[in-house]
Amino acid sequence: AQSVTQPDIHITVSEGASLELRCNYSYGATPYLFWYVQSPGQGLQLLLKYFSGDTLVQGIKGFEAEFKRSQSSFNLRKPSVHWSDAAEYFCAVVMMNYGGSQGNLIFGKGTKLSVKP
Amino acid sequence: DSGVTQTPKHLITATGQRVTLRCSPRSGDLSVYWYQQSLDQGLQFLIQYYNGEERAKGNILERFSAQQFPDLHSELNLSSLELGDSALYFCASSVDSFPYEQYFGPGTRLTVT
Repeated sequence: AQSVTQPDIHITVSEGASLELRCNYSYGATPYLFWYVQSPGQGLQLLLKYFSGDTLVQGIKGFEAEFKRSQSSFNLRKPSVHWSDAAEYFCAVVMMNYGGSQGNLIFGKGTKLSVKP
Repeated sequence: DSGVTQTPKHLITATGQRVTLRCSPRSGDLSVYWYQQSLDQGLQFLIQYYNGEERAKGNILERFSAQQFPDLHSELNLSSLELGDSALYFCASSVDSFPYEQYFGPGTRLTVT
């Protein structure tokens, strides 16, 4: 069964420092992968997605993620973190249904990011 | 603002009661998804509707049901509520039946006392 693992529950970085949030997935075929961000009291916002093609994908708010098939990973990165990036980040994979004609999202447990001034 | 609206924002009710959560998808989106977010279970997919028909079911309890109406808004009905049903319930929508890009509403926080 498909699954997503985010090994870090909580990460603290200093403002201006670089960030990498880890995500590993378990899936037999080429996955459809997503990163979402949830600010306190808010819904989830899509940061970026990977379906195929270039393994380095760019998203909103200066985030990028790299798909590495050999490591079953889809890590999220940002070169310089801003205080407003403090939030919870979720990695997700699409679980296929009906022979691949549709699917629903399976989420990791999330990584909470705190930013030090 | 994602364009997905959910009402109410907060709901407090007692065990054994029944509540209805409402979701309006983004204009033009045909699919509606329901998710439950709790501290112990994380974010879990409950059910998906596409153009009025149920398309996929996740970890949805038999006490819970949903429907999507002709105007594409959706309702999630939770009955015989238990303390463990306290959670944040999110609705999301996408253009078609495959979740290439889902847009999430702000959620309904349900507290069962």
